[in-house]
Amino acid sequence: GENVEQHPSTLSVQEGDSAVIKCTYSDSASNYFPWYKQELGKRPQLIIDIRSNVGEKKDQRIAVTLNKTAKHFSLHITETQPEDSAVYFCAASRVITGFQKLVFGTGTRLLVSP
Amino acid sequence: DGGITQSPKYLFRKEGQNVTLSCEQNLNHDAMYWYRQDPGQGLRLIYYSQIVNDFQKGDIAEGYSVSREKKESFPLTVTSAQKNPTAFYLCASRTRDRGPNQPQHFGDGTRLSIL
Repeated sequence: GENVEQHPSTLSVQEGDSAVIKCTYSDSASNYFPWYKQELGKRPQLIIDIRSNVGEKKDQRIAVTLNKTAKHFSLHITETQPEDSAVYFCAASRVITGFQKLVFGTGTRLLVSP
Repeated sequence: DGGITQSPKYLFRKEGQNVTLSCEQNLNHDAMYWYRQDPGQGLRLIYYSQIVNDFQKGDIAEGYSVSREKKESFPLTVTSAQKNPTAFYLCASRTRDRGPNQPQHFGDGTRLSIL
């Protein structure tokens, strides 16, 4: 089955710096890759997603890149702010008989210091 | 997302007791999911349902049961057979319109602990 590895497990940056979180996946048939942000005790919230027919997607300070050949995708946050501090999860999915199964990475705790 | 409501927010289970976690959505989504989240781990799939009156086991279904009698509701029962139920439980839903790769949206979660 699909396996998703996520690195690093923790990441500390200064406000204004960039942060990069990387994920690799094992199933070459995976075709959808969402990223979720989860604040302590709260629900995961979708921040950006990318489909396999696209190599890069950007939304203001957030961007995601996908390398299908190498089976890895990355989240880039520029000009980080203290409110970006949270746990970030990547996920990969393929559709099996109409069912979307998301496999999640183990999360990256991002701390942005003022 | 305001459209997915989980209750209660906190729940305590005694030994040998079954407890039921509620998940209701008003997003008109066909697909619903239950995940378990443990510290330092990603979300793991317990059960999913693509349509009313149908549901399938996920990766860690042992000790859990579900029902899907209404489109809006997908309750999860944690049975006494689940020996390590302490975790944060998240319900999610997804539209099946506009193709298969639509995002899942989550409720606020229920934190279950053992008394």
